[in-house]
Amino acid sequence: QVQLQESGPGLVKPSQTLSLTCTVSTDSISSGSYYWTWIRQPAGKGLEWIGRMYSSGSTDYNPSLKSRVTISPGPSNNQFSLRLTSVTASDTAVYYCATGGVSWYVFDLWGQGTLVTVSS
Amino acid sequence: QSALTQPASVSGSPGQSITISCTGTSSDVGNYNLVSWYQQHPGKAPKIIIYEGSKRPSGVSDRFSGSKSGNTASLTIFGLQAEDEADYYCCSYAGSTTFYVFGTGTRVTVL
Repeated sequence: QVQLQESGPGLVKPSQTLSLTCTVSTDSISSGSYYWTWIRQPAGKGLEWIGRMYSSGSTDYNPSLKSRVTISPGPSNNQFSLRLTSVTASDTAVYYCATGGVSWYVFDLWGQGTLVTVSS
Repeated sequence: QSALTQPASVSGSPGQSITISCTGTSSDVGNYNLVSWYQQHPGKAPKIIIYEGSKRPSGVSDRFSGSKSGNTASLTIFGLQAEDEADYYCCSYAGSTTFYVFGTGTRVTVL
């Protein structure tokens, strides 16, 4: 079963760029037919879908974040990344990477999540 | 796109059944049979318990059941157990502009 793990800085200054990487326990995220997804959750609040990248590299984003978000492959073959620019305190959240194993329309495989705090 | 509406909290005694509603619109829940439900214990990642409206992934107890009527999806937990105490979130596919919208979340308390 595919496993995922997030990594990256836990503290980002306001107006800077948040960068996270998800490492997947597979040889390459380009093989197979998967949507590689980022989801976030502010403390004590609900889940928010950020966006996804298909195995081919095509991407889809939450319209409310689209102007600030980039999901891309790499740095390694078994990794994909999230970049969120011009962050503010409202971007403070636990960030999860996830994918759908049983269906494209479900998130049944999750990383453990990583807390990113936006603060000066 | 607004979040799907769930009750903030639902409670029940062990052995009882409870139902959590998830109300959307004709653009999401009502238009696609692609609602999924997630269980989240404190400090843990969400866990899928229902997908595509009523399907259970392998390993998920058959005490969990999903259904939909119109713009409202529902999750029923039969035979409530202490381990079911958690937060529950619904999620619906919402088309190729919005993509996915989550529910506001429901805290289930086992009395």
